Amino acid sequence: QVQLQESGPGLVKPSQNLSLTCSVSGGSIGRGSYYWSWIRQPAGKRPEWIGRVYISGSTDYNPSLKSRVTISIDTSKNQFSLRLSSLTAADTAIYYCARLGSSISKPGAFDIWGPGTLVTVSS
Amino acid sequence: DIQMTQSPYTLSASVGDRVTITCRASQSISRWLAWYQQKPGTAPKLLIYEASTLESGVPSRFSGSGSGTEFTLTISSLQPDDFATYYCQQYNSYWTFGQGTKVEIK
Repeated sequence: QVQLQESGPGLVKPSQNLSLTCSVSGGSIGRGSYYWSWIRQPAGKRPEWIGRVYISGSTDYNPSLKSRVTISIDTSKNQFSLRLSSLTAADTAIYYCARLGSSISKPGAFDIWGPGTLVTVSS
Repeated sequence: DIQMTQSPYTLSASVGDRVTITCRASQSISRWLAWYQQKPGTAPKLLIYEASTLESGVPSRFSGSGSGTEFTLTISSLQPDDFATYYCQQYNSYWTFGQGTKVEIK
């Protein structure tokens, strides 16, 4: 049973950068035809897709965040990571990592999610 | 961007009721639509993908239909565990979610 767990700071100052890591257990991140994704959800609002990474390292990002986002993958550690730069209060949200299906399995659907981690941007 | 709009925003219903939630896309997304259930303090849970395919382990009282720009999620007989917020999500062009429909106890 694949499980995901986010880790990183809960409080970040404005203009600083955010780094979060998603650890995958119960299965190899490098096997299977899945993408690995980050999604965030401000309190009381809809989820917002941030971006995705494949085991090859190829990435896609939400155009509205593209200039500030980097997602990377480390198959040796069974982890993938998010870096978001130049944070403002508008970036305050719960950040989730999730497994994203591919063309051969649940295309385009996020089938496994981490529990989420709250990131607050405040001085 | 493809915009997703759900209706209603809030739905009050009783146990045993048949419940229908509608999701509309701003342009055709074929059948590239998923539905999620979210309870307070937890991550969204996948219910349905490709508009009508039930995720493994999801009760059969949940069903999805539609194509193009209009989709529905139906709960045939509402159970106590079903009171939650439901989101639709498209994946025809990047990934975007609807604003959510909260199903409340009447």
